[in-house]
Amino acid sequence: RKEVEQDPGPFNVPEGATVAFNCTYSNSASQSFFWYRQDCRKEPKLLMSVYSSGNEDGRFTAQLNRASQYISLLIRDSKLSDSATYLCVVNENYQLIWGAGTKLIIKP
Amino acid sequence: DTGVSQDPRHKITKRGQNVTFRCDPISEHNRLYWYRQTLGQGPEFLTYFQNEAQLEKSRLLSDRFSAERPKGSFSTLEIQRTEQGDSAMYLCASSLAPGQGITEAFFGQGTRLTVV
Repeated sequence: RKEVEQDPGPFNVPEGATVAFNCTYSNSASQSFFWYRQDCRKEPKLLMSVYSSGNEDGRFTAQLNRASQYISLLIRDSKLSDSATYLCVVNENYQLIWGAGTKLIIKP
Repeated sequence: DTGVSQDPRHKITKRGQNVTFRCDPISEHNRLYWYRQTLGQGPEFLTYFQNEAQLEKSRLLSDRFSAERPKGSFSTLEIQRTEQGDSAMYLCASSLAPGQGITEAFFGQGTRLTVV
């Protein structure tokens, strides 16, 4: 079992829709969590950190469920520019462990 | 520009040659990471430094790979006797490492290596 798992997608979603994806992690001692966005052939860029209480940034909401060991990302009112790969990252023993990413395609 | 910078952005080399990449992290960041990424995969951890100390090296990393961070600032990643399987994007990231946990990592634009 991989340490951090994501559904690779692609998720094909019409513009304006709401989309959510999860990321599961295997180490219950993981300390912090992040979502990154990566455009094709570009470097990953931090989208948001994930706090225990959940956090929201505009159209994006991230949540952490420690009991079930997953984090989620919700995108509301999706835009064409949201098309990208979304990478889940878990801090485990002072290392960053990466998922393989979920590809999101927003269609007009 | 105060972000992470990597040089070169692209490198094409013949199999068997040595290559060296450079990474300049965000100046106040004490932790520096090297990753490798191939198409359709997330970044694969190679090694990381806290200041000048190399704290961990991936078991997947062969002895052809070596990294240094001599003064705790910039870092270099060298690949000796390159193989076609080394073709990938090499990403550098930096972060702060306070007493507990780590903060978010910020990436450079990467060096795309093609071994022909």
